[in-house]
Amino acid sequence: DQQVKQNSPSLSVQEGRISILNCDYTNSMFDYFLWYKKYPAEGPTFLISISSIKDKNEDGRFTVFLNKSAKHLSLHIVPSQPGDSAVYFCAASFSGTYKYIFGTGTRLKVLA
Amino acid sequence: GAVVSQHPSWVICKSGTSVKIECRSLDFQATTMFWYRQFPKQSLMLMATSNEGSKATYEQGVEKDKFLINHASLTLSTLTVTSAHPEDSSFYICTSQHQETQYFGPGTRLLVL
Repeated sequence: DQQVKQNSPSLSVQEGRISILNCDYTNSMFDYFLWYKKYPAEGPTFLISISSIKDKNEDGRFTVFLNKSAKHLSLHIVPSQPGDSAVYFCAASFSGTYKYIFGTGTRLKVLA
Repeated sequence: GAVVSQHPSWVICKSGTSVKIECRSLDFQATTMFWYRQFPKQSLMLMATSNEGSKATYEQGVEKDKFLINHASLTLSTLTVTSAHPEDSSFYICTSQHQETQYFGPGTRLLVL
């Protein structure tokens, strides 16, 4: 049973436009969420996080939105740049633990 | 930022042999490290939590006698895949928590022939 789902395996966006990556989860007890970015042949790198007490967290071009009632989070990248092309994973955890449940990833391609 | 390294990055072995993968935190001490596995087109799945100076805790369905974890120092955890079989071929990745952020190693791709 996949507790964290990223239903879009890939996404292509024109440079300068907004990229929206989506993530759904099934366990309402999750209270901490993260997004990671992964380039080929490298390990994932932390991008941005959000706790369940918030519904939005912003860091530069990256904004994560959390809709607890819908059990949905999204990552917005604006403006998108070619260097953002990577695989993006969302992950969820329970506070007080460092064990994460990952989605399957969405491959973002930003076209120049 | 903090750096976690893994060695080797690639390993090919014959069925029945054992493979050791090292995970090191290069600029911080890690009392806890995590080992994940990723099969093609699937998500990263937590295998076990490696605890410095004590036994690892394994997730349900992960055989502790097959995946031996040793966390002998604050900067090194090792995962040994014993008697590897082709179905163990996967991407193994370690992570460690440092100052509220989890840092990933670059991963080790294992191919068992």
